[in-house]
Amino acid sequence: DSGVTQTPKHLITATGQRVTLRCSPRSGDLSVYWYQQSLDQGLQFLIQYYNGEERAKGNILERFSAQQFPDLHSELNLSSLELGDSALYFCASSPSDRVATEAFFGQGTRLTVV
Amino acid sequence: GENVEQHPSTLSVQEGDSAVIKCTYSDSASNYFPWYKQELGKRPQLIIDIRSNVGEKKDQRIAVTLNKTAKHFSLHITETQPEDSAVYFCAAGGNTPLVFGKGTRLSVIA
Repeated sequence: DSGVTQTPKHLITATGQRVTLRCSPRSGDLSVYWYQQSLDQGLQFLIQYYNGEERAKGNILERFSAQQFPDLHSELNLSSLELGDSALYFCASSPSDRVATEAFFGQGTRLTVV
Repeated sequence: GENVEQHPSTLSVQEGDSAVIKCTYSDSASNYFPWYKQELGKRPQLIIDIRSNVGEKKDQRIAVTLNKTAKHFSLHITETQPEDSAVYFCAAGGNTPLVFGKGTRLSVIA
């Protein structure tokens, strides 16, 4: 157990819908990262938050957004869903905003868009 | 930004043989290079990491080497066992979030 909690584990929804994925980081970790894992693209970095503020942005679509709350949990919002958004979404956390340390991954949320 | 290339994409070895996975990176500012192992349906887990001030690091059957001049680093697994079968990811980062390679699917044949 990494200490990073993601909910839900599985999500099935229809095209055009909106979903919210939730992540609770390890106790004491201030940074939260979101990654998308699809079969042919490996682990793609989406966005990083540090202590409530957006710190870095990767290949995140405009239909996707995220935030980190005062209690440090984070939510990833995916809207106007398309079939191609089906993937495993991982959250990771680390103590610092500079990733010179291990990033701990949650178990992931498997999103299926039908 | 950082770009990480990983080879090979698949690797099959006989039990007891060694396995080598290689990665290259593009950003000379990267100073942290972890390797993650991901078993089917599970989360990526760190197996070993190396920082830019070190050329080699070993942990039992696993070793990682780093060549900063050439911007490449490698994972070496000796005496492979069936439980080593998984997907392995290299990554590079430091002052920026980790960028991952596309993974290597390692199969250890008993």
